[in-house]
This record gives sequence, C-alpha cells and structure tokens, in this order.
Amino acid sequence: GQNIDQPTEMTATEGAIVQINCTYQTSGFNGLFWYQQHAGEAPTFLSYNVLDGLEEKGRFSSFLSRSKGYSYLLLKELQMKDSASYLCAVVDSNYQLIWGAGTKLIIKP
Amino acid sequence: GAVVSQHPSWVICKSGTSVKIECRSLDFQATTMFWYRQFPKQSLMLMATSNEGSKATYEQGVEKDKFLINHASLTLSTLTVTSAHPEDSSFYICSARVLTAEAQPQHFGDGTRLSIL
Repeated sequence: GQNIDQPTEMTATEGAIVQINCTYQTSGFNGLFWYQQHAGEAPTFLSYNVLDGLEEKGRFSSFLSRSKGYSYLLLKELQMKDSASYLCAVVDSNYQLIWGAGTKLIIKP
Repeated sequence: GAVVSQHPSWVICKSGTSVKIECRSLDFQATTMFWYRQFPKQSLMLMATSNEGSKATYEQGVEKDKFLINHASLTLSTLTVTSAHPEDSSFYICSARVLTAEAQPQHFGDGTRLSIL
C-alpha cells in the first residue's frame, strides 16, 4: 500500500528553527509537495522537490532523498504566524497525489 | 501565480436542501479539478477527481448520487451536495491542476464551510 508518515504535532519557540520530517512509501515517485494549512483555511503551496537535495525559499527550505524515501521541511526564524499544519504530499507513478495526515506546528513565544 | 476561486465561502441551510459549490480557475486552464472534504482536526480527504468533459472519478465510500460533480469547461467545476443532512456539514475544498502538467502543484480554492441545520 501507499503510505506517508509525518509527526502529528510539533512545538517550537518563536525565532528558533524546526524541521518537519516526512517519509513515504509509494508506487512510483514523481515529486513531493509541502503545503501549509492554517486552521479553517485551504492549503497553500510551499515547495516542490523532484530531485535529491535542498531547495531554499526564504525562511523555508525543503530537502529530498529519493533513495531513502525521505523529505523534510525546515523553517527558520520562526514567527507566530507559522503556527499551522504542514502537509506532505507525494505524486505517485499514476500522477495521483498521496497526502500525509499533516503535522500541526505550535509556535510558542 | 495560479488562482482558484471557490464560491460560496460559507453556507448555512436546512436539512434536505441541495447546495451547489463552484470552483473556477481564474488565470489558467485546468483539465483536472479535485474535490476534498475536511472534518475538524482531520486531514484532507479526496472525494473525487473531476476531468473536463467526462464523468468524475469518485473515491471509495463517496456516494456519486449524493455528491454530483460537473466539469463543463476547462475553468469551472461544480459540486452539488444533494439533500444535505447534518452529517454532510464539513469544509469542502476544491483544487485545480495546470493543463497537461501532472506533476505541477494543485492550487486550492479558499474552501466552502457547509453547515446543515
């Protein structure tokens, strides 16, 4: 079966750095997305990785290792507005998007 | 960037009412649109995949006669919740994918919060 694992909840301090991990087992791989979803709102696109390595976009970076079936989202200089759920999603061989359950990130002052 | 408009954003209605939700891609053509449902504190659940000009593909457990999907053009898909009941109350979100770009991100509408009394 297809499976995506990410922690249910994480807590971090304002100004700090947090890494949200995602491991996946899917039938084929055509890329991995990270989305941010604030409570009561729709998800918004953060990043897309299809090749191994680190993609940096401002305070957010996303890393992919295809051989390990592993990705992480790194958030630097955390702000209170970063409190949200972060969703990992993988595109499988049929170009279907397989969603993780999301990681709720709580930022404390 | 790609913009998806979803309307209405909030619906409150009586049990037995049918509710139509519209999803439009404003600045791109989308052959494929997706409809999700999300209950409070739960993850996104894909309900159906909607392809322009053909019948929608429903996920297991989703009643196609209950949730009618029409994708009449490359920029518009509609979801009609027929004879809605309180258990249908949820957050419904549509998303659209850029034409012929399967590995491109899905862009989401703002969602519709449906409350059935």
